[in-house]
Amino acid sequence: NAGVTQTPKFRVLKTGQSMTLLCAQDMNHEYMYWYRQDPGMGLRLIHYSVGEGTTAKGEVPDGYNVSRLKKQNFLLGLESAAPSQTSVYFCASRTVSYLDTQYFGPGTRLTVL
Amino acid sequence: EDKVVQSPLSLVVHEGDTVTLNCSYEVTNFRSLLWYKQEKKAPTFLFMLTSSGIEKKSGRLSSILDKKELFSILNITATQTGDSAIYLCAVPDLYNNNDMRFGAGTRLTVKP
Repeated sequence: NAGVTQTPKFRVLKTGQSMTLLCAQDMNHEYMYWYRQDPGMGLRLIHYSVGEGTTAKGEVPDGYNVSRLKKQNFLLGLESAAPSQTSVYFCASRTVSYLDTQYFGPGTRLTVL
Repeated sequence: EDKVVQSPLSLVVHEGDTVTLNCSYEVTNFRSLLWYKQEKKAPTFLFMLTSSGIEKKSGRLSSILDKKELFSILNITATQTGDSAIYLCAVPDLYNNNDMRFGAGTRLTVKP
């Protein structure tokens, strides 16, 4: 099992450009999450999904969109990137049980100039 | 609003020292608290605590939960340079499909 994978690992964008981050998991997990991590802020939830075809807003959703067309994939889109979106983005997945931990991907470092 | 607060935010010790990291929480309908270790990349799971007063232990790391006082501690004894990392505490928010609320983390640096 590859676990949770993310592509790309690094990206530099100019203000106003768009991009999509891909998260894939091969553990048949129902729940998937996108977080951003900034210095001194911990992990903040952007959007999450509790199943194929469903998504919901997290703590900091503005400026991002997501889609979960297939159970194993969770896409995070930036339509018009801003410098404030410079961050490290982590995807995570888990089963439905509250007793289960989240499994994290390796992260994507995004810089918006 | 649910909150998870960790302290200290940063800690520098020398090899062999013992450290205690703190996590306090205010979460409606508490079920569990999780500790993660984050080195250069993704957080990796350390412990899940659900019951008060029962210590979880893994090598030199141990953790305990106090559901009455709403906090948990993570202890690391005989620290090594490899323990240098950010330690994250998280609590599932059961009213939001188990959305995980993370603390800001404690950055631990262990000097040789």
